Amino acid sequence: DQQVKQNSPSLRVQEGRISILNCDYTNSMFDYFLWYKKYPAEGPTFLISISSIKDKNEDGRFTVFLNKSAKHLSLHIVPSQPGDSAVYFCAASARNTGNQFYFGTGTSLTVIP
Amino acid sequence: KAGVTQTPRYLIKTRGQQVTLSCSPISGHRSVSWYQQTPGQGLQFLFEYFSETQRNKGNFPGRFSGRQFSNSRSEMNVSTLELGDSALYLCATTLGGHNEQFFGPGTRLTVL
Repeated sequence: DQQVKQNSPSLRVQEGRISILNCDYTNSMFDYFLWYKKYPAEGPTFLISISSIKDKNEDGRFTVFLNKSAKHLSLHIVPSQPGDSAVYFCAASARNTGNQFYFGTGTSLTVIP
Repeated sequence: KAGVTQTPRYLIKTRGQQVTLSCSPISGHRSVSWYQQTPGQGLQFLFEYFSETQRNKGNFPGRFSGRQFSNSRSEMNVSTLELGDSALYLCATTLGGHNEQFFGPGTRLTVL
């Protein structure tokens, strides 16, 4: 039972444009959400997080938006750069379950120069 | 500060054998979680250890087990290997609270 879903396996974006990666979840107990970036042959690298008390969190070119009523979050990358090409995973957790995170299946982003 | 290290990086085993993977966390990190990554399945949570105790467990059979030592290093063991156990096994560590996890590079296990 996939509690966190990324329905777009891949995304291609022109350099300089906005990349929008989407993630949906089913468990209303989730209250902490993260995005990770993964290059081949490396472990995932933490990008940005958001707690359920917020609906937006920004860090440089990366912004995460959370819509709790729709159980949806998105990661915006502006402007997109070729070095952003990687697989992006969203993850969710409920605070009362410690560090048990549920991950989506990933979206492969390609930024075209 | 050194990152999360995992050994070995690559492993080839045959069906029925067992395997032990190791994870050394970032200094000061006391929580170690293990994940299995297979194509199309994302990262599936195996278990989490904190202060030498298993704190959370995912939906994997009992052939998958783990432990954590007093220095926070963790090992994961898979017995009676099956072809479907071929995957990238990742460990992730954190200080212990509800924080972002730092991942190691993973161990690529191939079962023939």
